[in-house]
Amino acid sequence: DAKTTQPPSMDCAEGRAANLPCNHSTISGNEYVYWYRQIHSQGPQYIIHGLKNNETNEMASLIITEDRKSSTLILPHATLRDTAVYYCIAPTGTASKLTFGTGTRLQVTL
Amino acid sequence: NAGVMQNPRHLVRRRGQEARLRCSPMKGHSHVYWYRQLPEEGLKFMVYLQKENIIDESGMPKERFSAEFPKEGPSILRIQQVVRGDSAAYFCASSPPSTGAHGYTFGSGTRLTVV
Repeated sequence: DAKTTQPPSMDCAEGRAANLPCNHSTISGNEYVYWYRQIHSQGPQYIIHGLKNNETNEMASLIITEDRKSSTLILPHATLRDTAVYYCIAPTGTASKLTFGTGTRLQVTL
Repeated sequence: NAGVMQNPRHLVRRRGQEARLRCSPMKGHSHVYWYRQLPEEGLKFMVYLQKENIIDESGMPKERFSAEFPKEGPSILRIQQVVRGDSAAYFCASSPPSTGAHGYTFGSGTRLTVV
């Protein structure tokens, strides 16, 4: 898996956009970037993934730089229920095993 | 369509006892993965199984830990002679065949406490 680097923690006011960065400078051309989150005491939940184009779904948007060395997960209108640890992952091959780092702990506040 | 079911949610064992953790994958999912999460750490891959086959056990400790996914019934993670260091949350995930990491669905985990 490509090594990913994320800030350990971030705060965001409720209703504002949360922008979570991830560096993956060693990513290879065919490795996707995946984002998962883990709400306290629950199993991880898939959010979004992308290869080189920006992606959007009902949960979030993913912006990948043109050189693919970094990406940003955007939660457009953060709510208190978005408080969680967010993991950026770039698995190699068929992704039979995912490498979860320490992620970014996002705290959404009133 | 039930998600990945893990039981028990909480398990307390004395040192030296055996712990059995069960995981029923989502309907239609034939691949099962086990992960362990120590307090304040990220999830660590343990083992990847398909029906009746261990595909990758590179994350399993060499001793006391074993996993199976029989033809019928849930996947079982077995820890023999538990020690305090085995206390952790154990998560199971399942996926359909030939999917990327977006196809994973995780269960709610089993929290093992060794006293």
